[in-house]
Amino acid sequence: DAKTTQPNSMESNEEEPVHLPCNHSTISGTDYIHWYRQLPSQGPEYVIHGLTSNVNNRMASLAIAEDRKSSTLILHRATLRDAAVYYCILRDVGDYGGSQGNLIFGKGTKLSVKP
Amino acid sequence: DAGVTQSPTHLIKTRGQQVTLRCSPKSGHDTVSWYQQALGQGPQFIFQYYEEEERQRGNFPDRFSGHQFPNYSSELNVNALLLGDSALYLCASSLPALLSGANVLTFGAGSRLTVL
Repeated sequence: DAKTTQPNSMESNEEEPVHLPCNHSTISGTDYIHWYRQLPSQGPEYVIHGLTSNVNNRMASLAIAEDRKSSTLILHRATLRDAAVYYCILRDVGDYGGSQGNLIFGKGTKLSVKP
Repeated sequence: DAGVTQSPTHLIKTRGQQVTLRCSPKSGHDTVSWYQQALGQGPQFIFQYYEEEERQRGNFPDRFSGHQFPNYSSELNVNALLLGDSALYLCASSLPALLSGANVLTFGAGSRLTVL
């Protein structure tokens, strides 16, 4: 799987938007971009994923660059509960059955939210 | 709707002992994966089970073994424990292979293992 690069940490103020960047310059055409987050003392939690187009769900938005070499996770109004480590992961979904579940996590971005 | 449940939540063992961790996948999921997360690091893939067989394995020694039961639940066994095995062990489940599209995983809260 291709690798991703994220800042080690970021800070945000409560109720302000947060833009979490991720670089993936070696992304292949069949790689989906996934974001998971891990709250303190919990397992990782799925946030959002996309392939080429920008995506929105109830948790966040995912903006994908036109060349797909970078993406940004957008939290529209950060809350204290959004303080977590955010992981950007590439997944090749071309191979079913055999490689499902094999997410390659980096160290992620630790997001701190100030009241 | 119960998510992924893991037991025990915490346990302490001594070097050389053996440990068994258990996982029940989310309802409707049939694929189970295990991850090890050392303090301050991202999770590392151990192995994945589907249809009661180990389908893929990460870079972990044979001391780490597993099993999947007909009801899709799973166990992770670690033999001859080392101090370095102290970590949070995470179980994740996902939908059937041909239906999951982009392979979204649901994780449990983990089992915290301390080896003394």
